[in-house]
This record gives sequence, C-alpha cells and structure tokens, in this order.
Amino acid sequence: EAGVAQSPRYKIIEKRQSVAFWCNPISGHATLYWYQQILGQGPKLLIQFQNNGVVDDSQLPKDRFSAERLKGVDSTLKIQPAKLEDSAVYLCASCSSYNSPLHFGNGTRLTVT
Amino acid sequence: QQPVQSPQAVILREGEDAVINCSSSKALYSVHWYRQKHGEAPVFLMILLKGGEQKGHEKISASFNEKKQQSSLYLTASQLSYSGTYFCLGNQFYFGTGTSLTVIP
Repeated sequence: EAGVAQSPRYKIIEKRQSVAFWCNPISGHATLYWYQQILGQGPKLLIQFQNNGVVDDSQLPKDRFSAERLKGVDSTLKIQPAKLEDSAVYLCASCSSYNSPLHFGNGTRLTVT
Repeated sequence: QQPVQSPQAVILREGEDAVINCSSSKALYSVHWYRQKHGEAPVFLMILLKGGEQKGHEKISASFNEKKQQSSLYLTASQLSYSGTYFCLGNQFYFGTGTSLTVIP
C-alpha cells in the first residue's frame, strides 16, 4: 500500500510570511494527525481529525495555525503569519482506527528566518 | 500531559540490554512505542492495550502497568540497528519526552 504522502519536503520562509503543508493519508485511514517536532524534542500533537471532523485541536495555536480536511481524505495545515519559533518538522500521520499503529509521512522541514 | 521517559539517553555496546521507561501523570489506556532515526519519521514498534500486557517483537518487548500508569520497553542483545530515539505514545495522542539510544560496536 502507498504510504502517507507529504509535501513539500523542505520550506524556507521569512517571518511574517505564510506557508501551507499538504498531507495525503493512506487510503481508507479515517484518522489523521498533524504533529510539530522541534529539533531534539518529541512530536507534539497539533490537531487530530476523524474523517473531516476535528477530534482534538487543544494544542493548535489558533491565532496563526489552521488546518482542514474538507473531504475527509487529504489535509492542509497553514501557518499565517509564521514566527521564528515555528521552525520545526511538521509530521502527518494516519491510522485506520483507534489503537491501530500510526503511519507517518516523511515530514516537511520548515525553516523560518 | 506529556509522558515522561527515562533515561533521557543511554549508550550501549552491541549485545548489551536496556530498559526504557514511560510514565504518565494521567490514566493510560493504551501505549504505543516508536523508534525514530535521525532525519526520519517515527516507525511503529508495538501497541499495548491492556494492563499487564506484554508484547514481544524479536528481541524487543514491552510491558504495561495500568495501575502505575507506566510502560517499559526492553531491548535485549542490542544491535547497531537499534540506535535511534525511542518514544512512547500515550492514549494515541501524546508522545513521551524521548530516549536517545546509541549502540556502539
């Protein structure tokens, strides 16, 4: 089966600019996660979708971050405006059901200068 | 909410054993374990769903104590390929603080 696809792989932007990341989960996976991983730290959950509904977005900085999964398949994560501290790897993961393994994409490495 | 792992880092020689602990301040209903190599995405190792459940995968096994809100990952006869950062994932939401494991020849 095809894995979780993410794009772009790398992105460099200046602070106050906006950026968007895209994720296409494994076919049939209803649950999709976005994680932020700062260098040297564990992944931090930003938002979890179940189909096209939000399950948990308690750690999403909603003043600048937004995410959507309109048709319950692929998803986009946007940052507007970006800050220096947003520099991180953004990981997308999907799973088929609760308590099944998470499958991760290769991530998008964002550098904000 | 983030589970705490110990130790933070460990260096082993090939063939040695290691134990990585994951402790949560909140009730744990499930624990996943993942390994992440530098520059790569986390890779699934195993899930534990019941209190006391132990699972094994080759020379890597894990236990889960619901009452103590803890899980432990056991690596026996370590190989060079075991090097990486190990994370527990509590209740399918929150990754632990991570344990860096380095296996040297």
